[in-house]
Amino acid sequence: DTGVSQNPRHKITKRGQNVTFRCDPISEHNRLYWYRQTLGQGPEFLTYFQNEAQLEKSRLLSDRFSAERPKGSFSTLEIQRTEQGDSAMYLCASSLEGSYNSPLHFGNGTRLTVT
Amino acid sequence: LAKTTQPISMDSYEGQEVNITCSHNNIATNDYITWYQQFPSQGPRFIIQGYKTKVTNEVASLFIPADRKSSTLSLPRVSLSDTAVYYCLVRRHALNFGKGTSLLVTP
Repeated sequence: DTGVSQNPRHKITKRGQNVTFRCDPISEHNRLYWYRQTLGQGPEFLTYFQNEAQLEKSRLLSDRFSAERPKGSFSTLEIQRTEQGDSAMYLCASSLEGSYNSPLHFGNGTRLTVT
Repeated sequence: LAKTTQPISMDSYEGQEVNITCSHNNIATNDYITWYQQFPSQGPRFIIQGYKTKVTNEVASLFIPADRKSSTLSLPRVSLSDTAVYYCLVRRHALNFGKGTSLLVTP
């Protein structure tokens, strides 16, 4: 068990550019979540997948954001036409869902800075 | 989704027991109570989870009264390395973490 892996750890981009982050969950976990966290705030839910199906999206996930999990394993989060307000830590978590009590296992995030 | 309320911050000295209480008045029958710990520049880490009464592991204890409308995370004999943000979640599945409780442990 290597835990949840996120790449890159840091990303600096200019406003208007597109960025893509990758998350590799714990291998047997069927649920995968994306969160965003800004300084002084707790993680805010963005979206989650059950296997390859995207089951829920927060209203925080604007049209510029898209997430995929094509084979039910790794996931990507893309932000198009980045804005300075997108600067945040993007966290990925996974869990094994089959009951109500499966905790989330988080990666250490990708810190995005939009200049 | 059940909303939780917990103190914004707490201070403690090394070696003391720290109790962080979280209220969750509209907890549902199927909801478990889960606590996470987060250090700066890291993702949250699962600490403990419970449904009712008391749960203990090597890190903490979780006390849940019969009505389940609150829960208390107990950290025995804290050290400087326990300085972190602690989040209480009542979950059926994904939800927001709130601001958590920022615990500062000093010598």
